[in-house]
Amino acid sequence: DIQMTQSPSSLSASVGDRVTITCRASQSISSYLNWYQQKPGKAPKLLIYAASSLQSGVPSRFSGSGSGTDFTLTISSLQPEDFATYYCQQSYSHPSYTFGQGTKLEIK
Amino acid sequence: EVQLVESGGGLVQPGGSLRLSCAASGFTFSSYEMNWVRQAPGKGLEWVSYISSSGSTIYYADSVKGRFTISRDNAKNSLYLQMNSLRAEDTAVYYCARIAVAGLDWGQGTLVTVSS
Repeated sequence: DIQMTQSPSSLSASVGDRVTITCRASQSISSYLNWYQQKPGKAPKLLIYAASSLQSGVPSRFSGSGSGTDFTLTISSLQPEDFATYYCQQSYSHPSYTFGQGTKLEIK
Repeated sequence: EVQLVESGGGLVQPGGSLRLSCAASGFTFSSYEMNWVRQAPGKGLEWVSYISSSGSTIYYADSVKGRFTISRDNAKNSLYLQMNSLRAEDTAVYYCARIAVAGLDWGQGTLVTVSS
């Protein structure tokens, strides 16, 4: 099974900060990497698909990059509504998708 | 608009059974592969099961293999998860998720609590 490891597990930041979250796969997954945002009591929401494509309706301050085993999600200027938990997910080993353990983004 | 609405969750004793349903609307259900994904309280996301668009191909996570059964009724635009021999560690919110070209589309989830 492909393992996905996110870092950091938690992060404190302020409104306006630039934030980067990293996701590493245990083997190459090409660009089969998605990012989701989840707020308490809600379902995950797709932000980025295929490593770097912005989902329709998602603000442009969110961006993704990477290929192979190393990926990043960047929020260029944090807004109050961005404080949430973020998950990466590989879709390379279809259909046994695996997720990272999550990164909780908190207000400093 | 894609809508996925789960139902059937609740409190069940260890060793018991429960059947989850997911009603789909806003898209051609029979054309899409579907997953069940769960999230234990305060924990991350875990893929549980997959079914192809026709229902002919099915996969399970090792943690549920032999206990859970995924199925679908394309005429009723519905996805199901039959859960037997439930354990405390199966306690979670269960989401049905459509496999789209761009990632997963999710329902709102239904809570399953396994406790005596």
